[in-house]
Amino acid sequence: DTAVSQTPKYLVTQMGNDKSIKCEQNLGHDTMYWYKQDSKKFLKIMFSYNNKELIINETVPNRFSPKSPDKAHLNLHINSLELGDSAVYFCASSQGRVGGYTFGSGTRLTVV
Amino acid sequence: AQSVSQHNHHVILSEAASLELGCNYSYGGTVNLFWYVQYPGQHLQLLLKYFSGDPLVKGIKGFEAEFIKSKFSFNLRKPSVQWSDTAEYFCAVISQTGANNLFFGTGTRLTVIP
Repeated sequence: DTAVSQTPKYLVTQMGNDKSIKCEQNLGHDTMYWYKQDSKKFLKIMFSYNNKELIINETVPNRFSPKSPDKAHLNLHINSLELGDSAVYFCASSQGRVGGYTFGSGTRLTVV
Repeated sequence: AQSVSQHNHHVILSEAASLELGCNYSYGGTVNLFWYVQYPGQHLQLLLKYFSGDPLVKGIKGFEAEFIKSKFSFNLRKPSVQWSDTAEYFCAVISQTGANNLFFGTGTRLTVIP
């Protein structure tokens, strides 16, 4: 059983398209996150959701919108994709602050 | 604002050499500290974590880290590295009371030569 699963694993798309990445966790955690890892491996938080409420929204373009239909899912929708959006996007979940985050396997997005 | 510094960008070691990766953080309050590992092409996995108590914490695969509060440091160590330890290592910090947001350092790439 995969604890945090993301789909798709790879996504290649053209500039201007709209795409979604899905994330599901079966750990019963109360908070889920999206991180972006750039080409230099730097990890930056984009969003987090706690009980369906957005509690952190870093300075990301409003083309990015997280959607959480329930506590176990946090999807990432991206409008009007740009070349600079190419990166690996990781979903994660946590329960409180003690256990750390559990990460998904990542989605490598390439915008051409 | 919180920040995490990993000064070693790329470390190259021969097998059986000892490892120490530096991590310093900047934050005014009490924090929890983590080390994560990312093997090539894979996701992040938790190596070890510190919340309180004994400042020397042991993790998986023979790794350990020491929290030195006076130095705001949480360095990762392993007495004898293996080729399979080749990976990217990330230090991370989260506030115990503020926003539930895990901040990562820039990572250290470790290459172990057989």
